[in-house]
Amino acid sequence: DAGVTQSPTHLIKTRGQQVTLRCSPKSGHDTVSWYQQALGQGPQFIFQYYEEEERQRGNFPDRFSGHQFPNYSSELNVNALLLGDSALYLCASSFETGLKMNTEAFFGQGTRLTVV
Amino acid sequence: RKEVEQDPGPFNVPEGATVAFNCTYSNSASQSFFWYRQDCRKEPKLLMSVYSSGNEDGRFTAQLNRASQYISLLIRDSKLSDSATYLCVVKLNTGFQKLVFGTGTRLLVSP
Repeated sequence: DAGVTQSPTHLIKTRGQQVTLRCSPKSGHDTVSWYQQALGQGPQFIFQYYEEEERQRGNFPDRFSGHQFPNYSSELNVNALLLGDSALYLCASSFETGLKMNTEAFFGQGTRLTVV
Repeated sequence: RKEVEQDPGPFNVPEGATVAFNCTYSNSASQSFFWYRQDCRKEPKLLMSVYSSGNEDGRFTAQLNRASQYISLLIRDSKLSDSATYLCVVKLNTGFQKLVFGTGTRLLVSP
């Protein structure tokens, strides 16, 4: 079991550019959540995808968008990059079908995005 | 006010010491509670879930006080390998797995 995998691991982009980050969930998981972790801060919830739809969103602008594919993998897209978007972007997968309130969320190793 | 508040530290302790971290949360609808560990430049990993009855896993003990909206983590006999950031995490009662993280408390264990 490969666990949660994210790509790329590191990325450098220029202000105004667009970026796409990818996540493959742990085998058997059907839900993917994305988090942004700025330096010295805890991860902040961006949004969650389940059954190929966004079903929850945190306080992030519309520049942040995503997608989930039929195989449960997911992409995070950020448009018009700002310097403040520099952060570690974490993907977490879990199994959410049915009422499983205490299932563990597994995190990928993250993508470190630097905007210059 | 942040939804989950922690002292950022760092806590500098010698090997063998006992150290305690505290965390408060503001949303009374919080359903589940966790401590995650995050090593430098790595992803968070679940350390333990936290229950009202308290729970222990080896040298680690977690406690939850729902009335005070307070969570604690106690580490006994600290090891060098315990050096990390400890994240207090709550899951809101939305039916979905939305985790709300504190800023983390950094622990440095020295020889």
